[in-house]
Amino acid sequence: DAGVTQSPTHLIKTRGQQVTLRCSPKSGHDTVSWYQQALGQGPQFIFQYYEEEERQRGNFPDRFSGHQFPNYSSELNVNALLLGDSALYLCASSLEVRENYGYTFGSGTRLTVV
Amino acid sequence: GIQVEQSPPDLILQEGANSTLRCNFSDSVNNLQWFHQNPWGQLINLFYIPSGTKQNGRLSATTVATERYSLLYISSSQTTDSGVYFCAGAPNYGGATNKLIFGTGTLLAVQP
Repeated sequence: DAGVTQSPTHLIKTRGQQVTLRCSPKSGHDTVSWYQQALGQGPQFIFQYYEEEERQRGNFPDRFSGHQFPNYSSELNVNALLLGDSALYLCASSLEVRENYGYTFGSGTRLTVV
Repeated sequence: GIQVEQSPPDLILQEGANSTLRCNFSDSVNNLQWFHQNPWGQLINLFYIPSGTKQNGRLSATTVATERYSLLYISSSQTTDSGVYFCAGAPNYGGATNKLIFGTGTLLAVQP
C-alpha cells in the first residue's frame, strides 16, 4: 500500500521563476493538504483540497495556488519565486471522515530558490 | 491565532533513558496529533489523540483537552528515536477544523 508520494524530491529554481510540485495521496485518501516548512521551524499550512476544490487556506499570498485532480492527486504551484520561498514542501493526505483526521505525510520536496 | 508551545526545545538522552515531551495549546483544538520527523524530513504520524491516553510500543501519549496540553512519553529510548517531534492541532472554530497548526518542535538526540 503506497504512502504519499511527492515529486520531485529536490529542486533548484531562480528567483522570479515558477515551480510546480506534485503529490499522490495514500491509497484510499481523498483529501490533500500542503505545508511549507522553513529550516528549523514547524510546518505551516498552505491550503487543503477536497473534491477538487480549495477548502481552506493559510496565510500565504496568491502566488501560491493549487489543484486537485479527479484521482485525488494534487499540484502546488508557486509563481514569481522569492528567496524566502526556499523550504521543504510537504504534502499530507487524509480521509474525510469526522472521526479520524489522522494525516499521512510524504517525504517532501526540497525547494531552493537562488 | 492558536499558539502551540513545545518543551523542551532540545533534549539529549543516553540510550535506554526515558523522556517526556510536552505540548501546550493557547486554545482548545481538534485533531491533536504527534509526529516524528526523521533526518530525511519525513513526518511520521505517531498518535492521533484528541483526548485520553494511547500506547504504541515504547511510546505513549496523553492529552488533557480541558487543560489544553498533551504529553508524549518515550521509554527505553533508542538511537532511532532521534529527530524532531512535533505536536499539531486544528482550531475548532470558523470551519478551520482541517488546518493543522504545528508547534516549533522538540529536537531529540539519543546517544549510544
